[in-house]
Amino acid sequence: DQQVKQNSPSLSVQEGRISILNCDYTNSMFDYFLWYKKYPAEGPTFLISISSIKDKNEDGRFTVFLNKSAKHLSLHIVPSQPGDSAVYFCAASGGGTSYGKLTFGQGTILTVHP
Amino acid sequence: NAGVTQTPKFRILKIGQSMTLQCAQDMNHNYMYWYRQDPGMGLKLIYYSVGAGITDKGEVPNGYNVSRSTTEDFPLRLELAAPSQTSVYFCASSTTGDYGYTFGSGTRLTVV
Repeated sequence: DQQVKQNSPSLSVQEGRISILNCDYTNSMFDYFLWYKKYPAEGPTFLISISSIKDKNEDGRFTVFLNKSAKHLSLHIVPSQPGDSAVYFCAASGGGTSYGKLTFGQGTILTVHP
Repeated sequence: NAGVTQTPKFRILKIGQSMTLQCAQDMNHNYMYWYRQDPGMGLKLIYYSVGAGITDKGEVPNGYNVSRSTTEDFPLRLELAAPSQTSVYFCASSTTGDYGYTFGSGTRLTVV
């Protein structure tokens, strides 16, 4: 039962263009969403988050959009840089007993070509 | 500031052996977690702790045990290793109410 899904295993983008990574979720109790970035042989690092009371959050080149009615979020990276090449995981959490626990998607491998 | 430190980085176990994966954090975080990542899969929660002396099961706890005697340390014990436990294990920590986990660099475990 995959509650958080990233349906694209990989994405290839040219340097300077926009990268759009997508994530869908099924649990309507989720109210907080995050994106993590992972380089090989390292642990994931926190990138950006969004609360369900918002529909957009920006941090420099990274913007996360949340569409609650569609249970869909996306991460936009503009402009993409070769150093952005990594695995990107979306994650979600709900309140109550799941407080502080994250459910992760399968990850999307982003490759940015110079 | 070391953050979250995991040892060992790599380990090969034979079926039926036991081992402990070590995790230590120096950020005074209350929350600590163990996740495993299988190829092509997301991270799945094994066990978590909200403070010293308090632990609880996650999504995939079978075959594992944990303890939390101090705020800093959260070891994961594998008893009777099985090939299905071949995975990359990540420890993470966070402050209370903060979902921005700090992850360790992982332990790659192979059970043969």
